[in-house]
Amino acid sequence: AQSVTQPDIHITVSEGASLELRCNYSYGATPYLFWYVQSPGQGLQLLLKYFSGDTLVQGIKGFEAEFKRSQSSFNLRKPSVHWSDAAEYFCAVGAGNNDMRFGAGTRLTVKP
Amino acid sequence: DGGITQSPKYLFRKEGQNVTLSCEQNLNHDAMYWYRQDPGQGLRLIYYSQIVNDFQKGDIAEGYSVSREKKESFPLTVTSAQKNPTAFYLCASIDQWSYEQYFGPGTRLTVT
Repeated sequence: AQSVTQPDIHITVSEGASLELRCNYSYGATPYLFWYVQSPGQGLQLLLKYFSGDTLVQGIKGFEAEFKRSQSSFNLRKPSVHWSDAAEYFCAVGAGNNDMRFGAGTRLTVKP
Repeated sequence: DGGITQSPKYLFRKEGQNVTLSCEQNLNHDAMYWYRQDPGQGLRLIYYSQIVNDFQKGDIAEGYSVSREKKESFPLTVTSAQKNPTAFYLCASIDQWSYEQYFGPGTRLTVT
């Protein structure tokens, strides 16, 4: 079965600094990969997804992620963080049978 | 607007009582999901349904039950057998062409 690891529970960055959130997955084939964002007490919103093709994918709110098959990683990046980016971020892996698995999440704090 | 609605947003119950959480979608999606979210544990799958009148247990189904009598509705019952029911519950559906999951705003259940 597929699984997802997000090694960082909590990250703090200064506003305007760059951001990278890590995600590693375990799956036998090339999975479908997703990043979601959750504001406190809310549901999850899709930031971006990777199915195939170009390994660098662009998402909403200026986020991007790079799929690296050799490292089983799908890290999320943003060049310049805004205070409104403070939230919890979840990496997810899906298989063709609609089975979706989520990482434990990374909470992002943005310092002024 | 298409989307997923969950009601109520906050729910309080006494220990020993069953409680049903509502989830409705107007996205015409076949597959629907229930997740439980606890701090630091990400989203854990309770049940999912691929189609009307069919559903499968997820990783933590004990103490929960579901029904899927209509495509639009996937209610979750938290029974008195669930040992630690206080949590944030998220309902989702999936677009089976894009594999994107759409989430409701969640229900926070507190059992005392």
